[in-house]
Amino acid sequence: KAGVTQTPRYLIKTRGQQVTLSCSPISGHRSVSWYQQTPGQGLQFLFEYFSETQRNKGNFPGRFSGRQFSNSRSEMNVSTLELGDSALYLCASSLSSGGPQETQYFGPGTRLLVL
Amino acid sequence: GDSVTQMEGPVTLSEEAFLTINCTYTATGYPSLFWYVQYPGEGLQLLLKATKADDKGSNKGFEATYRKETTSFHLEKGSVQVSDSAVYFCALRSSNQAGTALIFGKGTTLSVSS
Repeated sequence: KAGVTQTPRYLIKTRGQQVTLSCSPISGHRSVSWYQQTPGQGLQFLFEYFSETQRNKGNFPGRFSGRQFSNSRSEMNVSTLELGDSALYLCASSLSSGGPQETQYFGPGTRLLVL
Repeated sequence: GDSVTQMEGPVTLSEEAFLTINCTYTATGYPSLFWYVQYPGEGLQLLLKATKADDKGSNKGFEATYRKETTSFHLEKGSVQVSDSAVYFCALRSSNQAGTALIFGKGTTLSVSS
């Protein structure tokens, strides 16, 4: 079974631009979560989608948004990019997000560099 | 709020040495606990997990036991290999509600030399 895939793998943008990242979960998984990884802040939760609805949201500004499609694929968008948005963005999928024991499986990430 | 504390790295060991990476947590209720590993340039891979007190998770020679009395989930391996060099993250997932996020520690870098 194919794992979580993320596109693109690498991205370079300039301040003020916007960017869209894509994530395809493992087949049959209905929950997709996004995390930001930086050297200073570590791994931080952005948001989680289940059945096309945002179920949970981390403490990030409104410039960060996401959505999920009927096939469970998810996109996240960052508008008005800032230098501090440079990070590795990780997507994780799980079966149904039904409880804490459910494992989240991570993709390889998209590395975003903002110049 | 919930949190995870890991020992600071880097941890530098010789091949076949014993490994311990300490992890303690603060959480309400009964969280599930996880260890993830990240190799250079890659995403996170689940190493092992435990979902209730006294559970022992194990995989690829790594072990960790969910200790509720000490709120700990220390990672151990009896004999490390060069290929174990990576960053290790301890994480918890709270039982408060569905769709809760993973909360990660800062990560511990392990470097194993031959």
